[in-house]
Amino acid sequence: EDQVTQSPEALRLQEGESSSLNCSYTVSGLRGLFWYRQDPGKGPEFLFTLYSAGEEKEKERLKATLTKKESFLHITAPKPEDSATYLCAVTTSGTYKYIFGTGTRLKVLA
Amino acid sequence: DGGITQSPKYLFRKEGQNVTLSCEQNLNHDAMYWYRQDPGQGLRLIYYSQIVNDFQKGDIAEGYSVSREKKESFPLTVTSAQKNPTAFYLCASRQTDTQYFGPGTRLTVL
Repeated sequence: EDQVTQSPEALRLQEGESSSLNCSYTVSGLRGLFWYRQDPGKGPEFLFTLYSAGEEKEKERLKATLTKKESFLHITAPKPEDSATYLCAVTTSGTYKYIFGTGTRLKVLA
Repeated sequence: DGGITQSPKYLFRKEGQNVTLSCEQNLNHDAMYWYRQDPGQGLRLIYYSQIVNDFQKGDIAEGYSVSREKKESFPLTVTSAQKNPTAFYLCASRQTDTQYFGPGTRLTVL
């Protein structure tokens, strides 16, 4: 069964303390992996799409990487405004259905 | 400004009533999706539509219905047959492989 697992469930960081969020997946025929940011009571905001192992994407303090089994969202020198839930999702070959992880709740303390 | 709108933001329903959630997009995307989000769970797919006048059931379609008469619109009806409808509902549209989400509707059954 296709599955996406995110870890940790929750993470507290001090401002400036860099860290990584993990998204591991077991799917047959990955076509794309997606990262979203979601603030409380709002819809997910698109961050990155990754297609192949070795690919990296960057945006401000965020960098997403992809291997054949997992993806990492690296947060460098985070600020309190980076506090949110980060969601990972995958889609596979032959379908336009998406499988979501349960997210990592990030809290950055000033 | 292009985007996805959902209305209303908050919706209260009495048991036994049907309610319809609106989703409109002006991004000219062919595909649209409805998800349900519950605390501690990943987004779960209710229905999706790849093109006008066509739609498919997702993983949790029981108690829900949709229509896709216009490219811009994909309304979701939550029927009285849905046993536990209280949740946060998210609409998305897709361009190539990436989904973009609306702001969500929070439905509460009284």
